Amino acid sequence: GIQVEQSPPDLILQEGANSTLRCNFSDSVNNLQWFHQNPWGQLINLFYIPSGTKQNGRLSATTVATERYSLLYISSSQTTDSGVYFCAVEAGSYQLTFGKGTKLSVIP
Amino acid sequence: DVKVTQSSRYLVKRTGEKVFLECVQDMDHENMFWYRQDPGLGLRLIYFSYDVKMKEKGDIPEGYSVSREKKERFSLILESASTNQTSMYLCASRHSGGSNQPQHFGDGTRLSIL
Repeated sequence: GIQVEQSPPDLILQEGANSTLRCNFSDSVNNLQWFHQNPWGQLINLFYIPSGTKQNGRLSATTVATERYSLLYISSSQTTDSGVYFCAVEAGSYQLTFGKGTKLSVIP
Repeated sequence: DVKVTQSSRYLVKRTGEKVFLECVQDMDHENMFWYRQDPGLGLRLIYFSYDVKMKEKGDIPEGYSVSREKKERFSLILESASTNQTSMYLCASRHSGGSNQPQHFGDGTRLSIL
C-alpha cells in the first residue's frame, strides 16, 4: 500500500515563530488532507489539497503532486496551535492512509 | 458546516459485553468510515460503508461488525469486547460525488474495556 512519511516527528516552537511541516507519499494520490488533532483528541480538518496551494489565516499548504510531497506552513504560531498534525492520502480506494504525525508544542 | 456526531466522548465497558458505538452525520453523505487510533500505530481503518446497507472491511475488521440501515447513521459493534479493543474510535463521513471529496471526522470516542 501507499506509504506516508511526515517530518519532523516532534517540533518545539517559541510563540510567534514560523514552521514548515512536510509530508512525503510514495504513489500518486487523488486526495490529500491535513488535520490538526488537539489535546482533547478532536481531529480538525485544515486543508483538502490534492494539488496546488491554499491559505486559511495563518496556515497555508502546498501540494506538489508530481513530486509526491505536501507542505504545511504555520506562521506566527500560538499556543493553541499545539497538538499533532496529520497528513492523510487516498490513492484510488476509499481509504485514507495517515502518516504518523508531527507533534507540535508551542511555548509562551 | 458538516456535523459528524459520535454518541459518546468516553465509554467504559467490561470484557465480554456487546458494545455499540453510534455515528450520525447531517450532510446526506454516502460514505461513512470507522477508524481506531492507538499510540505508535496511528489511525487505522476498521470498516467503511459507501452507501446504505453496503459495507467493506478495512485493515483491521476482526472483532468488529457494522450496521448502516439509514444513510445518516453508521454503527460500530464490538460483538464481545476485549481489553485489546481499548482505544480511541473515530467516525468520518464524506460525499461521494463525481470526484474525491474530503473526509470529515467526529470528535471521537475514548473506549476503555476493563
